[in-house]
Parts: sequence; structure tokens; C-alpha cells
Amino acid sequence: GIQVEQSPPDLILQEGANSTLRCNFSDSVNNLQWFHQNPWGQLINLFYIPSGTKQNGRLSATTVATERYSLLYISSSQTTDSGVYFCAVAPFARAGNNRKLIWGLGTSLAVNP
Amino acid sequence: DTAVSQTPKYLVTQMGNDKSIKCEQNLGHDTMYWYKQDSKKFLKIMFSYNNKELIINETVPNRFSPKSPDKAHLNLHINSLELGDSAVYFCASSQVIRSQGWSGYTFGSGTRLTVV
Repeated sequence: GIQVEQSPPDLILQEGANSTLRCNFSDSVNNLQWFHQNPWGQLINLFYIPSGTKQNGRLSATTVATERYSLLYISSSQTTDSGVYFCAVAPFARAGNNRKLIWGLGTSLAVNP
Repeated sequence: DTAVSQTPKYLVTQMGNDKSIKCEQNLGHDTMYWYKQDSKKFLKIMFSYNNKELIINETVPNRFSPKSPDKAHLNLHINSLELGDSAVYFCASSQVIRSQGWSGYTFGSGTRLTVV
């Protein structure tokens, strides 16, 4: 099955720093999403981005589908950005099966004041 | 509030017991899911229902049985609980929008199950 690798596994930043998180996947996908799990466990969907670039405030994401990777950029990081960032993908499949997301192991981010 | 709500938030029970976790979404989404997150934070899909029809059924012990009485509800019943079932269980919902692809997943706040 499709493999999803995220890097780095852990990241520590000072408030105000920028960072780039990477997600590599081993097969073509028609669904790729980024999620943030805060320290209290709540999972929030950040982006649906199977290709192209999107921006939402200080966060942006780019997926280069032909090269099978996606990047999540965090600019001017804040302590509230701490938590685990997950990338999840679904391979090209019959309609309906692209709902089955395969998840990476996440990047654990700590932003210090 | 529009949301995915699951109850209970915490569940501590003895081995061998049977327990249920309930999930409801008022977002009008057509697909609901159950996920299991282990102690290393790894998320794995267990089940998915689309308009009350089971569409994803991963390799899960048959002690776990989902039930979807309507497209807004997806409950999870677990028989004969084992120590290894201890985890956080998340309910989620999503909707495919033709012009945009996806509305994205919306997750419930999780149920922390501890089997002693």
C-alpha cells in the first residue's frame, strides 16, 4: 500500500521563527490533507491540497503531485502552533475509496516563547 | 454549535466489559468515520459509513461493531474489552463537494478509553 513519510519527526522553534514540514508519499494521490493536533488532542483540518498551493493566514501548503511530496509552511510561529502536524493521503482509486486516508506519523512541533 | 460531538469523553472500564461510544454530526456531511489513535499518536481508520452504508471496514477485531442509524449518527460498540483496546477513539465526518473536492474532515474531540 501507499507509504506516507513525514519529516522532521520533531521540531523545536523559538516564537517568531519560520518552519517547513515535509510529507513524502509513495504513489499517486487524489486526496491529501494536512491536520494539526493541538496539545489537548483536538484534530483540526488545515488544508485539502492534492495539488497546487493554498494559504490560510500564517500557514500555507504546496503539493507537487508529480514529485509526490507536500510541504506545510508555518511563518512567524506562535506558541499556539505547538502540537503534532499530520499529513494524510488517499491513492487514486474508484470513487468512494479516496475517503480512506493513510496517515503519516506526524511532526511534533514545540514553539517556545 | 455545528460540530461533531462524541460521548463519553473519558471511559474507564474493566477487561471483559462491553461499552459503546456515540457520535453525532450536525454538519450535513454524508460520510462518517471511526479512527483509533494509539499511544504513539498513530492514527488508523477503523470504519467508514456513507449515507448509512458501510464503505470502509479495516482489519479490526469483530468485537468492534459500528452502527449508523442515520447519516448523522455513527456509534461504536466494543464487546469483551481487552487491555490492548486502550486508546483514543475519534469520530469524524466529511463531505465531497464536486466543485472543490472535499469540505475536509471534521473531527470530534475524542474518547479516551482505558481498559484496566
